[in-house]
Amino acid sequence: SQQGEEDPQALSIQEGENATMNCSYKTSINNLQWYRQNSGRGLVHLILIRSNEREKHSGRLRVTLDTSKKSSSLLITASRAADTASYFCATDFKAAGNKLTFGGGTRVLVKP
Amino acid sequence: SQTIHQWPATLVQPVGSPLSLECTVEGTSNPNLYWYRQAAGRGLQLLFYSVGIGQISSEVPQNLSASRPQDRQFILSSKKLLLSDSGFYLCAWSVSGLSSPLHFGNGTRLTVT
Repeated sequence: SQQGEEDPQALSIQEGENATMNCSYKTSINNLQWYRQNSGRGLVHLILIRSNEREKHSGRLRVTLDTSKKSSSLLITASRAADTASYFCATDFKAAGNKLTFGGGTRVLVKP
Repeated sequence: SQTIHQWPATLVQPVGSPLSLECTVEGTSNPNLYWYRQAAGRGLQLLFYSVGIGQISSEVPQNLSASRPQDRQFILSSKKLLLSDSGFYLCAWSVSGLSSPLHFGNGTRLTVT
């Protein structure tokens, strides 16, 4: 499968702690994107990192990309209860045109 | 600003009945349009995508079909629903071209009974 795979599948942390989740994929990509989904809602785009980039920041979010290992990580710093959601990585494979392939997601629970 | 509308929010349909889910986008022209399905607690499976009016690509052979009768309208249909068609259906759009973020609607929860 060309799907990105997130790890861990679920994560439970206390408010104020950092949350780290990883995404692995199998073939060359144009870019990798991270999305957030609150329960029962649509996905919201968080960050896009291109294949020639190694790190990007957006507020409390930090994304890294290691194309040699075909992996990416999403770090949420100083987590809040409102960060409770599922987080998905999506890959734009070079052979797939402009179609995104999503992983199974990481469910994050931030306890107050 | 651009907005995406998807309806209905929830739907309960008997096996064998037809289906029509509609998605419209406002505030942009010639978007790429997508239909995804999400099983409970799982990731998203791409069902159809469209780069223009009347241009539909199917990703997974199935009981569903899609149509794009207007530039910013995308419809997901079935003639006869199966139990396995239950799921959370998400419509999304992106700017045409490569490497663009997707913008999702709020989804339709379909339960086939």
